[in-house]
This record gives sequence, structure tokens and C-alpha cells, in this order.
Amino acid sequence: ETGVTQTPRHLVMGMTNKKSLKCEQHLGHNAMYWYKQSAKKPLELMFVYNFKEQTENNSVPSRFSPECPNSSHLFLHLHTLQPEDSALYLCASSRKSGGTNTGELFFGEGSRLTVL
Amino acid sequence: GQQLNQSPQSMFIQEGEDVSMNCTSSSIFNTWLWYKQDPGEGPVLLIALYKAGELTSNGRLTAQFGITRKDSFLNISASIPSDVGIYFCAGQTGANSKLTFGKGITLSVRP
Repeated sequence: ETGVTQTPRHLVMGMTNKKSLKCEQHLGHNAMYWYKQSAKKPLELMFVYNFKEQTENNSVPSRFSPECPNSSHLFLHLHTLQPEDSALYLCASSRKSGGTNTGELFFGEGSRLTVL
Repeated sequence: GQQLNQSPQSMFIQEGEDVSMNCTSSSIFNTWLWYKQDPGEGPVLLIALYKAGELTSNGRLTAQFGITRKDSFLNISASIPSDVGIYFCAGQTGANSKLTFGKGITLSVRP
């Protein structure tokens, strides 16, 4: 139990579907992240939110749309995805220390996405 | 872009053995971190290193921040079956910079 909860754990969707991934952290952190994990590749940072404000969009296609309504919740809205978007999507949180985002991330268990 | 190199992709050891993993880069990093990912779980932070030359232990795990700031290693002593998983190194070049991750090393421990 890392204090970061992701739902759903598994999701299968067609290319025309719209779905959302949800992340909730109970650690009092103020930075939240979405990462994509594909087999045999390094973790890819997608989005960063600090105090609910998006501070990083790592050239992510617009078919992925993040939403951060407050410091504890983060969503990833999915629309017209491609089969190559199938991957494990990991949410993480961290605390800001003295104005700095530390590299000490707390990850959720991930949402395994399959796009048919 | 910056890359962290971890090899080999997979390691197989006998229970009770020690194992060492390296992480190298052509770029300088000011923070090095090691994460472990169990099957079906997200990565968990094992050790964070903030100073060149720093040697830090966490139980049977020991990690060092290379003096050149371009590498780090992780040692696991007296391995046990629950050490199985994927070990990632990660580096941060400066305050607020995003983490760069290696591809990970999958460790298998034979009982």
C-alpha cells in the first residue's frame, strides 16, 4: 500500500471509445504525475501537475487529456486511442521540498490498458 | 536526449548470492535513485542518493552515487526469493527537472 490508488486496474477499449483513468493519493503530496510504461522501454513521463497546475506536457498526443481537480486527484481521459497506446499507465505523487520536486516518487499499481 | 543505460536486461542468481547492478550515463546527474517493481505493482523507491560518492544502505541493499556523477550501482546481498522483480535506476539533473529512467533489469532468484 503506497498511498496512491489507481482505478481501474485493467481496461480494454475500442479505438472509438472514451474512457478515463483515475488516481487518488492520500499522502498529502502536492505534485502528481502520469507515466506510460511499455515493455522493454524506460518509463515515459506524460504529464506533471504541481498544486493542480499542469507544469509539464511531454509532447503527449491530444487523445490523452489530463485533469487535476485538486491536489489529491488526477484523471487521464482517453479518446480515440490507437492499439500502440496499449501499455501500463502509472500515476505517481511526490512532495515539493523547499520549492523543489524531489525525485522520490510514490507510484500507484497502474492501470493496464489494452486498445483493440 | 539523456539516457540511462542498464544492462544486462535480465539476471539470474541463486538464492543467497550477492548481485550488483550498474547504471551509467554520458550525462551528469545530481540525484540518483533506485526503484524496484514487483510483478503487477508500481515501482517502489529503494534508495535515493544526493551527493557524489555517497554510499547508502537500506537493509541488504547498498547503493553508491558515482564520483563522476555519471553512474551509480546497486548491490543486493544474500538474495532471497522476494528480491525478484525489475530494478530501475533513475536520475535527475537538477531541482525540478524530470526524472530519466533506465530500461530496468529483471532479476530472477532461484531457490
